[in-house]
Amino acid sequence: DIQMTQSPSSLSASVGDRVTITCRASQGISNYLAWFQQKPGKAPKSLIYAASSLQSGVSSKFSGSGYGTDFTLTISSLQPEDFATYYCQQYKSYPETFGGGTKVEIK
Amino acid sequence: EVQVLESGGGLVQPGGSLRLSCAASGFTFSSYAMSWVRQAPGKGLEWVSDISGSGGSTYYADSVKGRFTISRDNSKNTLYLQMNSLRAEDTAVYYCAKKAVYSGYDCIDYWGQGTLVTVSS
Repeated sequence: DIQMTQSPSSLSASVGDRVTITCRASQGISNYLAWFQQKPGKAPKSLIYAASSLQSGVSSKFSGSGYGTDFTLTISSLQPEDFATYYCQQYKSYPETFGGGTKVEIK
Repeated sequence: EVQVLESGGGLVQPGGSLRLSCAASGFTFSSYAMSWVRQAPGKGLEWVSDISGSGGSTYYADSVKGRFTISRDNSKNTLYLQMNSLRAEDTAVYYCAKKAVYSGYDCIDYWGQGTLVTVSS
């Protein structure tokens, strides 16, 4: 199975900050990497697919990059509605696997 | 508008069974693979199972293989998850998710609101 490791597991940031979250795969997954946002008590929301492509309707303040084993999600200017937990997921092979999540909290 | 709506969750005793349903609308259901993903209380997301658009291919996490069965009725635009021999560790919110094809690979693009399954005596 492919293991997905996210870092950090949590971070504190201020409104307006640029935030970067990292996701590392235990083996190469090309660009078959998705990012999701989840707010407390709510269903996840799809943000990015193919490592860097925005899902329809997602703000351009979110961007993704990476290929192979190392990936990043960047939020260009953190807004109050962005405080949430973010998950990466590889869909290169079964079983599909998620990272452990990164909780973005208000400083 | 794409919508997927889960139902069927509830309280069940260890060893019992439950069938989840997911009603889909707003897209050509038979053209898309579907997923079940779960989240135990206070924990992260865990992929459970996938099914192809035709229903001919299915995939399972090792943790549920042999106990859970994914299926779909394309005439009713409905996805199912039959859960047998339930254990306390199956307690979670179960999400139904639609997948889209990007460069030949299926990736989740829409999520349902989830249904809570509690396994307890």
